[in-house]
Amino acid sequence: GAGVSQSPSNKVTEKGKDVELRCDPISGHTALYWYRQSLGQGLEFLIYFQGNSAPDKSGLPSDRFSAERTGGSVSTLTIQRTQQEDSAVYLCASSLGLVEQYFGPGTRLTVT
Amino acid sequence: RKEVEQDPGPFNVPEGATVAFNCTYSNSASQSFFWYRQDCRKEPKLLMSVYSSGNEDGRFTAQLNRASQYISLLIRDSKLSDSATYLCVVNTGRRALTFGSGTRLQVQP
Repeated sequence: GAGVSQSPSNKVTEKGKDVELRCDPISGHTALYWYRQSLGQGLEFLIYFQGNSAPDKSGLPSDRFSAERTGGSVSTLTIQRTQQEDSAVYLCASSLGLVEQYFGPGTRLTVT
Repeated sequence: RKEVEQDPGPFNVPEGATVAFNCTYSNSASQSFFWYRQDCRKEPKLLMSVYSSGNEDGRFTAQLNRASQYISLLIRDSKLSDSATYLCVVNTGRRALTFGSGTRLQVQP
């Protein structure tokens, strides 16, 4: 079946602009996660959605970052007023709960 | 102290060698454990779950030591294709899993 998909695969933006990253989880997966990974670094947890519960936003680095999940499926991560330090690969994952997660291919964001 | 700690490596081993990685975790209430593999510029992929009794999948063996709070991954008869970063992943009781920074393995011909 279809895996997790993300779009765009690459995004280059100018400092100060807003960007939206999209994630389509595996159908039926109730949990959705956003992470980011800077070059050569580990995964940094950003936000977690589980069903209709309030999202766990504890990993968002600043109030410029926000995410929503519509209809319990597709999620959008929005970064406002992008900064150069936001450059990273943004990975989305989904799962059926606190079990193994399946990752999308990521969006490589470059802020110039 | 990090919730999940791994030796970053790199571990450089010849083909056919046996190599082992350890990972320590700080939360004694952790319940679920996994090893993921991440190839260069690719997304992480589940390698195997780690069960209390230990488990084996072909050349890969994972073990859990709750008393000492570490998990291990053993790779026998290393192949060139095993070269990757291996991520230790733990459910620390928060609502999301916690990933270690990874151990890089380079298998050389």
